[in-house]
Amino acid sequence: GQNIDQPTEMTATEGAIVQINCTYQTSGFNGLFWYQQHAGEAPTFLSYNVLDGLEEKGRFSSFLSRSKGYSYLLLKELQMKDSASYLCAVDRPFKAAGNKLTFGGGTRVLVKP
Amino acid sequence: GAVVSQHPSWVICKSGTSVKIECRSLDFQATTMFWYRQFPKQSLMLMATSNEGSKATYEQGVEKDKFLINHASLTLSTLTVTSAHPEDSSFYICSARAVEGNQPQHFGDGTRLSIL
Repeated sequence: GQNIDQPTEMTATEGAIVQINCTYQTSGFNGLFWYQQHAGEAPTFLSYNVLDGLEEKGRFSSFLSRSKGYSYLLLKELQMKDSASYLCAVDRPFKAAGNKLTFGGGTRVLVKP
Repeated sequence: GAVVSQHPSWVICKSGTSVKIECRSLDFQATTMFWYRQFPKQSLMLMATSNEGSKATYEQGVEKDKFLINHASLTLSTLTVTSAHPEDSSFYICSARAVEGNQPQHFGDGTRLSIL
């Protein structure tokens, strides 16, 4: 089976930093995505890591270690609007064409004033 | 702007009705589109993979006769929930991905289906 684990909930204060960890064990790996999903809305793309290391994009950074089956999403200078669920998804080969995503359970982040 | 369009956004209908949901890729061709279902406070569950010009591939436990998928062109996939019942009420989301390179899956805005 495919296992993708991330914490269920995290709480942080506005202006602070939060790190959301994701560990995975999957059959096949092409890369790892992070998505943000606000309640009642569809997910929006945040980052995609293929190679080991840190990818920085504004206040958000994502890290990948393929040998450890580990990734994290780092949110800096937290704002109230960052309260959302953050989904870790592994990109895996798919027989028919291209790849498909397997999602973790999501981490609900609550930002408090 | 949106790269994947999903329609309708909301559907409320009586039990026994069949409901069709459309998913279009706007700026790119997608040989493969994906259909997900999401229950409250849960993560996305992949239902099926829609392949242009061929049969969809369904995940284990998803009834293919209940959830009909048609991917007739490189920019359009449809999901039809046949004879919907209250337990089919959920948030249905499609996604599509460009064929070229390491591109992210882009999601439609989702369809909230409520069966009375």
